[in-house]
Amino acid sequence: NAGVMQNPRHLVRRRGQEARLRCSPMKGHSHVYWYRQLPEEGLKFMVYLQKENIIDESGMPKERFSAEFPKEGPSILRIQQVVRGDSAAYFCASSPKATGTPGELFFGEGSRLTVL
Amino acid sequence: EDQVTQSPEALRLQEGESSSLNCSYTVSGLRGLFWYRQDPGKGPEFLFTLYSAGEEKEKERLKATLTKKESFLHITAPKPEDSATYLCAVQASGGSYIPTFGRGTSLIVHP
Repeated sequence: NAGVMQNPRHLVRRRGQEARLRCSPMKGHSHVYWYRQLPEEGLKFMVYLQKENIIDESGMPKERFSAEFPKEGPSILRIQQVVRGDSAAYFCASSPKATGTPGELFFGEGSRLTVL
Repeated sequence: EDQVTQSPEALRLQEGESSSLNCSYTVSGLRGLFWYRQDPGKGPEFLFTLYSAGEEKEKERLKATLTKKESFLHITAPKPEDSATYLCAVQASGGSYIPTFGRGTSLIVHP
């Protein structure tokens, strides 16, 4: 499967625990976007990364949330000290396009986080 | 701030009953408008990219059109397998070119 791979698909955490969501982009793609989707709402942008660089994190809360895309390995979205409001579907998308070039995104199946 | 508004929020059709979904947008400069399809529990799947007013794209029973203020997704003679949520997104010419999504239109096609 050469598509965008996300894991875990489902994650259950208790309040105060940490959640780590992983995303491997499509082969040849070096641009990764993370979006959050709540029931009955659209996709909300969180962060845009290229290899080893955060390009735009304007949609990501300043506290408890962090993201990385190392030179080797998947992109990781990390949520510390989770709260019930963090329960959502988190989607990763990748693109081969350079910044500034219009292009479609290729999405993974999402990671569904439930905070008890 | 870029804005994308989709209507209607939900649409129920009988099989074979053609209709259109609307996506209205406000953006400083449009680099691209995208349509995606999302099935329950799945990630969005890319359908079309439109770049300039007057452009049209077709795929099976779907046709997307673009004006300077809105885009339409026309569904001709839909089938139950066309049931899904259809998302519209715009990519602006300024900033870091992050695609902004609308809330989507949930389409149900009854047999």
